Amino acid sequence: QSALTQPASVSGSPGQSITISCTGTSSDVGDSKYVSWYQHHPGKAPKLMIYDVSNRPSGVSNRFSGSKSGNTASLTISGLQAEDEADYYCSSYTSSSFWVFGGGTKVTVL
Amino acid sequence: QITLKESGPTLLKPTQTLTLTCTFSGFSLSTSGMGVGWIRQPPGKALEWLALIFWDDDKRYRPSLKSRLTITKDTSKNQVVLTMTNMDPVDTATYYCTHRGSEMAYFDYWGQGTLVTVSS
Repeated sequence: QSALTQPASVSGSPGQSITISCTGTSSDVGDSKYVSWYQHHPGKAPKLMIYDVSNRPSGVSNRFSGSKSGNTASLTISGLQAEDEADYYCSSYTSSSFWVFGGGTKVTVL
Repeated sequence: QITLKESGPTLLKPTQTLTLTCTFSGFSLSTSGMGVGWIRQPPGKALEWLALIFWDDDKRYRPSLKSRLTITKDTSKNQVVLTMTNMDPVDTATYYCTHRGSEMAYFDYWGQGTLVTVSS
């Protein structure tokens, strides 16, 4: 089972918007309404940011949004803030009933 | 509130078996739909989903590791145990215990993780 493909790094200035892509196949992202995104600050537990493609858990800023088109899901962070600097991982529940993660994207706030 | 905590050895030798325990609170694994899973992260690498056990004892495993993994639960103790046989240095990672709520396909609560190092 191959990992989902994410860009290794994305950067932006404070206040800008950035988008992280997550590309899979028709067996995972393309066939799933169950794409989620996690924020991970090194040394801490990962935090759920988006679930079921575009839903935000309670307490997560509305600056974070998710979408999907075909085999590619996306996470957009608008109004970038210094605290958003972290690693971000996408995940998909697959048609074979297991989970797969992306390779991770390091977000840098310039 | 929901909390999870991992416990187990920090250092193993190659070929040994890893046994990790996840002790949780704030929910019951006998509740319909609930699940507890394990995810790991090798140093400097990405997250990898390993296994999940459901309230009804249904189990799912990462296909490439299925032959080495066993996940079990003790509902009375609020614990889930993951065993991984024939450990190798490439299995060095931080191992996380996670909560999967009823009808969810994501992990909404995570433990702090425990670093397991495999070295001779």
